[in-house]
Amino acid sequence: QQQVKQSPQSLIVQKGGIPIINCAYENTAFDYFPWYQQFPGKGPALLIAIRPDVSEKKEGRFTISFNKSAKQFSLHIMDSQPGDSATYFCAASGQGGSEKLVFGKGTKLTVNP
Amino acid sequence: DAGITQSPRHKVTETGTPVTLRCHQTENHRYMYWYRQDPGHGLRLIHYSYGVKDTDKGEVSDGYSVSRSKTEDFLLTLESATSSQTSVYFCAVSGTSLNEQYFGPGTRLTVT
Repeated sequence: QQQVKQSPQSLIVQKGGIPIINCAYENTAFDYFPWYQQFPGKGPALLIAIRPDVSEKKEGRFTISFNKSAKQFSLHIMDSQPGDSATYFCAASGQGGSEKLVFGKGTKLTVNP
Repeated sequence: DAGITQSPRHKVTETGTPVTLRCHQTENHRYMYWYRQDPGHGLRLIHYSYGVKDTDKGEVSDGYSVSRSKTEDFLLTLESATSSQTSVYFCAVSGTSLNEQYFGPGTRLTVT
């Protein structure tokens, strides 16, 4: 049972483009939504995260947009660079001591020079 | 890297043999997790720990066991490895209520 649906599976953009990766969730108890970036042969690295009390969060060139009513959130990468080529995972979790994250299946982003 | 190391980093083993993967952390995080990553499946939680000797099952726990006798070490054991357990295994830690998890470098396990 997949609780976080991520799209697209893969994405190719030109340098300077704005790739957008989308995620949708079902569990209304989720209240923490992080994005992870993973380079080949490395572990996922926390990139940016948002909580549902705000609709947007920016960190450098990375922006999360959050739509609570639609139960959707997305990652935008401004002025994308070839070094941004990686796999991106969205995730979600709720309250509680275990803090278990549920991950989307990932999006492989390629930024061409 | 949140002070996380995983060992071994690569392992090839035969079907039916026991395998133990180790996760070691140096920053006294309370929570530790084991995930497996497979193409098309993303990251799936195997087991997690919320303290020494306190563990619980995740989404794909069948065929795996874990132990945590010290804060810094979380062991994942495959009692009798199968080819379906060929995967990349990641350990993660978190220590606050903010749900932030930090991942180790991974172990690539191949079961032949």
